[in-house]
Amino acid sequence: EAQVTQNPRYLITVTGKKLTVTCSQNMNHEYMSWYRQDPGLGLRQIYYSMNVEVTDKGDVPEGYKVSRKEKRNFPLILESPSPNQTSLYFCASSPTRGRNEQYFGPGTRLTVT
Amino acid sequence: GQQVMQIPQYQHVQEGEDFTTYCNSSTTLSNIQWYKQRPGGHPVFLIQLVKSGEVKKQKRLTFQFGEAKKNSSLHITATQTTDVGTYFCAGAGTASKLTFGTGTRLQVTL
Repeated sequence: EAQVTQNPRYLITVTGKKLTVTCSQNMNHEYMSWYRQDPGLGLRQIYYSMNVEVTDKGDVPEGYKVSRKEKRNFPLILESPSPNQTSLYFCASSPTRGRNEQYFGPGTRLTVT
Repeated sequence: GQQVMQIPQYQHVQEGEDFTTYCNSSTTLSNIQWYKQRPGGHPVFLIQLVKSGEVKKQKRLTFQFGEAKKNSSLHITATQTTDVGTYFCAGAGTASKLTFGTGTRLQVTL
């Protein structure tokens, strides 16, 4: 089954404790992206990757890092999480570039206390 | 940068009533996409519009792309409880990114 998976689905952590949210897709998509969703603000892009070893900042990249060492995986790293990073995070992939249909993962709800 | 505004933020209708959400971009778009997110779920792609003035229908849903390719609308005829969720538009500019609107949350009651 074609899908985007994320882990963990739920995470409660403390300020400053490094964490990684994994994202994997099995559709051989070139383009992958991370979004955060906050009430009233919609989906805001954090980082995106057009292919292996090619990543770029989205609209709200501060406090986040990403890497794309393999085509299928695109982890999101929070080196020193802060409470303002409490949010619902979605990973998405697309066959080519970012202007085509996005396939979203199930989401990761992160709480930073 | 590119901004995409969506109105209304929230709409509550009775089952059988019609519903429309509007999307406006600050810049001309190469295409516009619509997504639906059910409560507790993730956004799911509905449709993509590419041509100026394009109109597409999916059963009770009608999607329009404006002549200037800066605005779009989604109209649902005779809403049902299964239509509940948040509807997002997403505009694609010249760069390799999609800018999502803020979404319209639709609540349908019997």
